[in-house]
Amino acid sequence: EPEVTQTPSHQVTQMGQEVILRCVPISNHLYFYWYRQILGQKVEFLVSFYNNEISEKSEIFDDQFSVERPDGSNFTLKIRSTKLEDSAMYFCASSEYPRDTQYFGPGTRLTVL
Amino acid sequence: SQQGEEDPQALSIQEGENATMNCSYKTSINNLQWYRQNSGRGLVHLILIRSNEREKHSGRLRVTLDTSKKSSSLLITASRAADTASYFCATDASGNTGKLIFGQGTTLQVKP
Repeated sequence: EPEVTQTPSHQVTQMGQEVILRCVPISNHLYFYWYRQILGQKVEFLVSFYNNEISEKSEIFDDQFSVERPDGSNFTLKIRSTKLEDSAMYFCASSEYPRDTQYFGPGTRLTVL
Repeated sequence: SQQGEEDPQALSIQEGENATMNCSYKTSINNLQWYRQNSGRGLVHLILIRSNEREKHSGRLRVTLDTSKKSSSLLITASRAADTASYFCATDASGNTGKLIFGQGTTLQVKP
């Protein structure tokens, strides 16, 4: 069964460093998303992406964040200058249509020291 | 209350019993999705129910949606120890962007 994959599973970085989180969505899906979950809290929407453009972004997704689909298979989330409060589990998701089931990857745990 | 609030926050039952979790929301929605999350792991999709649907089944899972009350329930019948996890409802109230708003979740413990 097709699944969303994410790498790395765990990333440790120093405050102020740039990180890139990688995702491979399900191959026939056209809609891509990033969410995050701070430990013990609920899952929060960051951004949705379609046709090489951001469809919607949340208040969390400020100028420090960017997304890219660099090729036909990868979808990346970049945080330019990490802060302590960026420590969280980051989930990538994809769907075939915008109002359809979203399939989530296993997540990348980002720890900012 | 916030969009997508689950009730109860925690539920502990014996294996074989049924578990019911509720979700309330505030705005009109396109669909409502239920997910399961084992501790520290990813989100596993369980069921999607659209705004024009009232009930859906998948194996031991039954989901209802009452748009007049802006609420949904997830019923797990004949629970197993392996059902121990957190369960989240997520609402899609977006125009066409697919943005999901998650609730705080219900932590279910099924005792063997």
